[in-house]
Amino acid sequence: ETGVTQTPRHLVMGMTNKKSLKCEQHLGHNAMYWYKQSAKKPLELMFVYNFKEQTENNSVPSRFSPECPNSSHLFLHLHTLQPEDSALYLCASSQGGRAGETQYFGPGTRLLVL
Amino acid sequence: AQKVTQAQTEISVVEKEDVTLDCVYETRDTTYYLFWYKQPPSGELVFLIRRNSFDEQNEISGRYSWNFQKSTSSFNFTITASQVVDSAVYFCALSEPRGTDKLIFGTGTRLQVFP
Repeated sequence: ETGVTQTPRHLVMGMTNKKSLKCEQHLGHNAMYWYKQSAKKPLELMFVYNFKEQTENNSVPSRFSPECPNSSHLFLHLHTLQPEDSALYLCASSQGGRAGETQYFGPGTRLLVL
Repeated sequence: AQKVTQAQTEISVVEKEDVTLDCVYETRDTTYYLFWYKQPPSGELVFLIRRNSFDEQNEISGRYSWNFQKSTSSFNFTITASQVVDSAVYFCALSEPRGTDKLIFGTGTRLQVFP
């Protein structure tokens, strides 16, 4: 595997379900990010982790819970989501989490909440 | 506040035409970084270029070229002799060193190249 991978690629869940999105980077980076991309809206940064520590929570509702067990893996735990949470969720990584660094993205998980 | 504007929502061209995607940014910092990403239908954002604010040289990579002009706060992207495989959504983004490692994205320009 190379680059940034995400699983699952597609997910359909009910509002009462609990599911998790997984991201893994094979680039030796130390910073990882979650973004949300909704139709007709700019990409929204959700969370940032630098060296496993959360450094940014962009006012994300608590029904989204991130977890970063090590610098290579990032999870997004989902529970009691709303239909408006349907979106493409993108994971990214960068070398050291410093501003100006290039972020490399995974293919995304397309989430549909019914 | 920092902001990125991509005024062109959608552009359609015929193969082999040249096309320019516009990007205008706003920032109060003198040091900043600009990026272009390509998002094909598969969804992944593919990194194309990174440019820092002190390097105003235009860059060319194959059929792709970028024109950075600080005087007009623009970082435009030109595809020469477009191909069907260039069809995608293209995003311009701004990163500032003063804040965190946030990328501020524009709303994207959807490019459709017809055969």
